Amino acid sequence: EAGVAQSPRYKIIEKRQSVAFWCNPISGHATLYWYQQILGQGPKLLIQFQNNGVVDDSQLPKDRFSAERLKGVDSTLKIQPAKLEDSAVYLCASSWDGPTGRNFGPGTRLTVL
Amino acid sequence: AQSVSQHNHHVILSEAASLELGCNYSYGGTVNLFWYVQYPGQHLQLLLKYFSGDPLVKGIKGFEAEFIKSKFSFNLRKPSVQWSDTAEYFCAVMGNNAGNMLTFGGGTRLMVKP
Repeated sequence: EAGVAQSPRYKIIEKRQSVAFWCNPISGHATLYWYQQILGQGPKLLIQFQNNGVVDDSQLPKDRFSAERLKGVDSTLKIQPAKLEDSAVYLCASSWDGPTGRNFGPGTRLTVL
Repeated sequence: AQSVSQHNHHVILSEAASLELGCNYSYGGTVNLFWYVQYPGQHLQLLLKYFSGDPLVKGIKGFEAEFIKSKFSFNLRKPSVQWSDTAEYFCAVMGNNAGNMLTFGGGTRLMVKP
C-alpha cells in the first residue's frame, strides 16, 4: 500500500512569515495526526482528526497554528506567523480506528530564520 | 497523564555487541507499548508493539522487547547489532483510557561502529 505522503519535504522561511504543510494519509485510515518533532526530542502530538472532526487539539498553539482535514482525507497544517521556536520536523501520521500504531510520513523539515 | 522516559540519549556500540535500550513509562492503568525506529533520512517505522498476552514481543530485524509490568518498563533488546542498526529509537505508550493518545519518549540515538 502507498504510505503517508507529505509535502514539501523542506521549507525555509523568515520569522513572522506564514507556511503551510500538506498531508495525504493512507487510503482508508480514518484517523490523522500532526506531530511536531524538535531536534533531539520525541514527536509531540499537535492535533488528531477522526475523519474530518478534531478529536484532540489540546497541544496546538491556536494563536498561530491551524489545521483542517477536508472531506476526511487530506489535511493541511498552517503556521501564521512563524516564530524561531517553530523550527522542527512536522510529521503527519494516520491509522485505523482504535488503539493501534501510527503510519508516519517522511515529515517536513521547517527552518525559521 | 502518561509519560515515557528513555534514559540513554546516546549509545555507541561495536558490531556484534548486544543492545539493550531502556524505556520506562508512567500511567495508572492498562497500556499499549511501542518501539519505533528512525533510520538516517527515513521516516519513523514501527519496530514492535505490545498490546496484551506474552510480555516478550518479537519485532522486525531481530529486535525484541519485554514488558515488565511491575517495573513499568519496556526495554528493547537485540543480541547482536549490525552497522545498519544505526538509527534513533523511540519508545511510546498509549494508555487504554487515554483516548488513543500516543506519547513518545525523547529517543535514543544508537551508533554502531563497523
